[in-house]
This record gives sequence, structure tokens and C-alpha cells, in this order.
Amino acid sequence: QKEVEQDPGPLSVPEGAIVSLNCTYSNSAFQYFMWYRQYSRKGPELLMYTYSSGNKEDGRFTAQVDKSSKYISLFIRDSQPSDSATYLCANSQGAQKLVFGQGTRLTINP
Amino acid sequence: GAGVSQTPSNKVTEKGKYVELRCDPISGHTALYWYRQSLGQGPEFLIYFQGTGAADDSGLPNDRFFAVRPEGSVSTLKIQRTERGDSAVYLCASSLSGLGETQYFGPGTRLLVL
Repeated sequence: QKEVEQDPGPLSVPEGAIVSLNCTYSNSAFQYFMWYRQYSRKGPELLMYTYSSGNKEDGRFTAQVDKSSKYISLFIRDSQPSDSATYLCANSQGAQKLVFGQGTRLTINP
Repeated sequence: GAGVSQTPSNKVTEKGKYVELRCDPISGHTALYWYRQSLGQGPEFLIYFQGTGAADDSGLPNDRFFAVRPEGSVSTLKIQRTERGDSAVYLCASSLSGLGETQYFGPGTRLLVL
């Protein structure tokens, strides 16, 4: 079993829809939770970073962490075609070695 | 300012050959990381440098892989006797001090072993 599980998709939604992306993890020692976005042939870029249970909002993006069920989510409101990318969840125990999920490929259709 | 840069952007080599991949971190960042991303997968941790020393090399798959950072800035990932299974995108990232800040990734080097 992988430490971080993520549905690879692909996921295709119409422009303006609310998108929900999810990961589960198995290592209780994880303290840091991140979502990265990766465009084709580019390196990952950080979207959201949290180290506690609960919600964190940044513009159209909301990250949600539930440590009791080891479940993390990313919600995208008013999705745009420019949001089309692969979304990677990443967890870390000590914030150095990141453990990534497989990534979910998302397409927003105009 | 400049981000993390990696050279070459693409590398094609033959099985059994030696390759070197270079990473230039963001200026002033003391922490540097190497990850490997296979097609359709998330990045996998290889090694983490704090300054010149390898603080965690637990992700290096075997002794054919080696990385250095002699002056605490530029890093080189070295792969000996390459195998077809080494084909992947090799990503480098850097962070300010390695104490939980954001890791900034470079564009990666796409390695193809024929």
C-alpha cells in the first residue's frame, strides 16, 4: 500500500463547476499537507500548504485536512480552463522529504 | 528573480552509459532536493541536501545513483551504468532553509535511456 493514495482520474468538468480532489494517507506521523499543481512538461508549483486539521482558503481554492480519517481534499470554485493541470497532494513528516500521491489529471472544458 | 534551473532539459543516452544532471537552486536557498517522476506518477524523493551535506539519501534506489553539492549551491545527480528503468523526469527543488518552507521546483530533466 502506498503512503499516499490519489485517484489518477482523468477528471473532466465544465467551466464554472466546483471541483473536488481527494487523497488518503496512511502515515499518522505526517504533519504537513500540501497541494501542488503541475502543468504539462513543467515542475510542480505549490498551491496550498497546511499543517493542521481544518480548512484553509485562498481565493478560489480551499484545502481541507481531516487527520482523524487521514483524508485531505482540495476544492476549486468557479473552475477555469486555465485550471486544467495535474494536481498532486503531498504529505510530509518533517517538511523535508515530501511524499506525493499519483496525481489527478484535471481538464476544465470551456 | 530566477527560479530553480535544471540542465539539460532533455537527455537521451544508451543503456550502460554514465549521465550527469545539474541543478541550480534559487540563490540563497540552503536546502536542495532531488525527486524522480515516472510517467503518470507523482514525484518520488531521492535525496535532500542541507548546505553541502546529504541530510537524507534514503530515496536513492541503489549505488548507481550519487549526488553532490560541493559548494552548497549547484548540485549534480550522477547515474552510472544507466538502465532503461532509469528513464523518468528528474526534478530538483530548493527551499530557504529546509525547515518547512515551500519547496520550489525546477522544470526537470527528461532522461531517456535507450
